[in-house]
Amino acid sequence: SAVISQKPSRDICQRGTSLTIQCQVDSQVTMMFWYRQQPGQSLTLIATANQGSEATYESGFVIDKFPISRPNLTFSTLTVSNLSPEDSSIYLCSVATTGSYTFGSGTRLTVV
Amino acid sequence: SQQGEEDPQALSIQEGENATMNCSYKTSINNLQWYRQNSGRGLVHLILIRSNEREKHSGRLRVTLDTSKKSSSLLITASRAADTASYFCATDLSSNTGKLIFGQGTTLQVKP
Repeated sequence: SAVISQKPSRDICQRGTSLTIQCQVDSQVTMMFWYRQQPGQSLTLIATANQGSEATYESGFVIDKFPISRPNLTFSTLTVSNLSPEDSSIYLCSVATTGSYTFGSGTRLTVV
Repeated sequence: SQQGEEDPQALSIQEGENATMNCSYKTSINNLQWYRQNSGRGLVHLILIRSNEREKHSGRLRVTLDTSKKSSSLLITASRAADTASYFCATDLSSNTGKLIFGQGTTLQVKP
């Protein structure tokens, strides 16, 4: 199965600023996924990052708030923009290869 | 929106006892997976069961799937204190896109 390196592992940010999270995969994958886990909650899919095209966002998530880049088949970034305390969550990237699903170790974001 | 409903939301047992968690979902699936998460850290993939399978075992884990009832159960036998964690079911829909819809999770506490 694929191995994902996700950075940063945690950050504390001021409200109104932005945080960019990176995920590097050790193999080429067609689609990468970004999830949010709010405190005490389950994971919710934010968007699917497609190489060569715009990301596909789930209901309730918009590109202006969560811009995503996917410059190649092994890398993606998620930016959380105009931060507010409600954005404090764990953000995880994921890939799915044949029969195997892998998650990054997560980024714990605290907005103060 | 969440695909899966899990019960119980919280479970507390003594070491050595068995723990059973249930998951229900709403739409047709390609597969269903169970994950463990310790204290808000990364997700650990436990087991995947395909829609044409009814039961699967892995060590002390036993997963069943009933597609007619759109439900699954995870049984952990002879529990250990180290099994204390949150457990999530996740479904990959019949379109097999690789994106997962997570249940709400069950928090398991195993007392030594």
